[in-house]
Amino acid sequence: NAGVTQTPKFRVLKTGQSMTLLCAQDMNHEYMYWYRQDPGMGLRLIHYSVGEGTTAKGEVPDGYNVSRLKKQNFLLGLESAAPSQTSVYFCASRTGAGELFFGEGSRLTVL
Amino acid sequence: QQQVKQSPQSLIVQKGGISIINCAYENTAFDYFPWYQQFPGKGPALLIAIRPDVSEKKEGRFTISFNKSAKQFSLHIMDSQPGDSATYFCAASSTGRRALTFGSGTRLQVQP
Repeated sequence: NAGVTQTPKFRVLKTGQSMTLLCAQDMNHEYMYWYRQDPGMGLRLIHYSVGEGTTAKGEVPDGYNVSRLKKQNFLLGLESAAPSQTSVYFCASRTGAGELFFGEGSRLTVL
Repeated sequence: QQQVKQSPQSLIVQKGGISIINCAYENTAFDYFPWYQQFPGKGPALLIAIRPDVSEKKEGRFTISFNKSAKQFSLHIMDSQPGDSATYFCAASSTGRRALTFGSGTRLQVQP
């Protein structure tokens, strides 16, 4: 049982480049989330989805887009990367009882 | 706007001691208060959670204390061990709200 899998685990981008982070879960959860983690800032919600075909904005959505074409996958895109987007990104899915299962994170550096 | 304030930012405790991490919240609609534990290079994982119908919940060496009137809750780690060294996040949510709001995290170091 893989749980929540994120790819890639590491990526270095130049300012202005684009990329997509992929999250896959095999627990048949409806809710999925993308958070970013920065020192002293905790986990901040970027976007989330309550089911296939739905997405919604979180606390810090600017500069990011997401898609949930399949229930098991949640994609996070950066159209034009900026140094302020250097962070560790975590995907999570949620049980009906409210427990979040997180992936191991994707570390992104924007030069 | 930070809705969940966590302190301290870092904590050093001797092996066998008690670790205490505190959180305060603003939104009185919050009714679910979990704590997550994160080891380096890993994603956070649920440690223990409480709902406001009880003032305390204990699981092994980990206890949540909840004070509804003060809008505060805390994590106590009894007999702290070096293996407890990790970052701890408190969080809060409310029925119908679809996402957790996390505190800023506490880095705990338990010295042998």
